[in-house]
Amino acid sequence: KAGVTQTPRYLIKTRGQQVTLSCSPISGHRSVSWYQQTPGQGLQFLFEYFSETQRNKGNFPGRFSGRQFSNSRSEMNVSTLELGDSALYLCASSPGQGRATNEKLFFGSGTQLSVL
Amino acid sequence: GESVGLHLPTLSVQEGDNSIINCAYSNSASDYFIWYKQESGKGPQFIIDIRSNMDKRQGQRVTVLLNKTVKHLSLQIAATQPGDSAVYFCAESGGTGNQFYFGTGTSLTVIP
Repeated sequence: KAGVTQTPRYLIKTRGQQVTLSCSPISGHRSVSWYQQTPGQGLQFLFEYFSETQRNKGNFPGRFSGRQFSNSRSEMNVSTLELGDSALYLCASSPGQGRATNEKLFFGSGTQLSVL
Repeated sequence: GESVGLHLPTLSVQEGDNSIINCAYSNSASDYFIWYKQESGKGPQFIIDIRSNMDKRQGQRVTVLLNKTVKHLSLQIAATQPGDSAVYFCAESGGTGNQFYFGTGTSLTVIP
């Protein structure tokens, strides 16, 4: 079974631009979560989607948004990029069986975003 | 998880020795815990998990211990190998959905 796939792998943007990152979960997984990883703050939860609905949201500004499609693929968008948005953005999927919660997360390799 | 404002703890062990990595979590309501391993350039990889109704769980060469009284989690790796060199994170969850809080991580170096 293929793992979680994130594209692109690397991205360079300038301040003020916007960016869209893509995530394809493991086949059959219905829950997709996004995390931001930086050397200064570690791994921080952005949001989780389940059945095309945002189920949880972390403490990030509204410039960070996401969505999930009917095939469970997910995208996250960051508008008006700031230098501090430079980070590794990780997507994780989990089975999402019924209303199951607290399931193990399976991570992709991430998208390394650099904002200049 | 551990406090933000990273000061990544480090642990160096000789190949073949046992390793113990510790994690203090903050939320007494957390009821599910996972240990992840992250190698350079890769995403976190699941190692082992434990729910709050257990205090010990064993996997292949790994054991997780949970002490809810002092909100402490540990990962024991038996016969540590060079391939175990990585950053190890604990993660806790206790709410609805799959929202996890990650610790700051411990960098493990195995000396051949």
